[in-house]
Amino acid sequence: DQQVKQNSPSLSVQEGRISILNCDYTNSMFDYFLWYKKYPAEGPTFLISISSIKDKNEDGRFTVFLNKSAKHLSLHIVPSQPGDSAVYFCAASGNTGGFKTIFGAGTRLFVKA
Amino acid sequence: GAGVSQSPSNKVTEKGKDVELRCDPISGHTALYWYRQSLGQGLEFLIYFQGNSAPDKSGLPSDRFSAERTGGSVSTLTIQRTQQEDSAVYLCASSRTSGSGLTDTQYFGPGTRLTVL
Repeated sequence: DQQVKQNSPSLSVQEGRISILNCDYTNSMFDYFLWYKKYPAEGPTFLISISSIKDKNEDGRFTVFLNKSAKHLSLHIVPSQPGDSAVYFCAASGNTGGFKTIFGAGTRLFVKA
Repeated sequence: GAGVSQSPSNKVTEKGKDVELRCDPISGHTALYWYRQSLGQGLEFLIYFQGNSAPDKSGLPSDRFSAERTGGSVSTLTIQRTQQEDSAVYLCASSRTSGSGLTDTQYFGPGTRLTVL
């Protein structure tokens, strides 16, 4: 049972355009959401997060949107750059003690120059 | 400061052999996680340690897998009698605590690529 789903295994975007990566979750107990970025042969690195008390968090070119009623979040990258090409993992965690972080399967983003 | 380190970076072994993978977390981080990523798959949770509490082993796929964390720092993941399906990248992560909020941001090591022939 996948509690965190990234239904698009890959996404291709032209440089300078917007990249939108989507993530759906099933457990309403999740209240904190994170995006990680992974380059080949490296471990994932934290990118941006959002608490369930917010519906938007912005950090430079990266914005995460949260729609709690739809149990959906998305990561927007504007403008996309070739260096953004990587695998992006969505992750969710809950406030209940011991509620471990659950990762999605990842979406591979290709930004074409 | 130093990040999470893992060794070896690559390990090739024969089916049936035992392997040990090592993780050095960031100093002061009380929570330590092991994940694996098989080819084309997402991050599969294996086990996590939080301070002196009993580890959460709910993600270990079989009793051939075990992990220890000595002195609340270094961790070793052991796979006994390796099988070809164990081939994957094994990732270790640490965080300041285990829970929700900013303290749950995990810092990952580069991983160990295990190949079982």
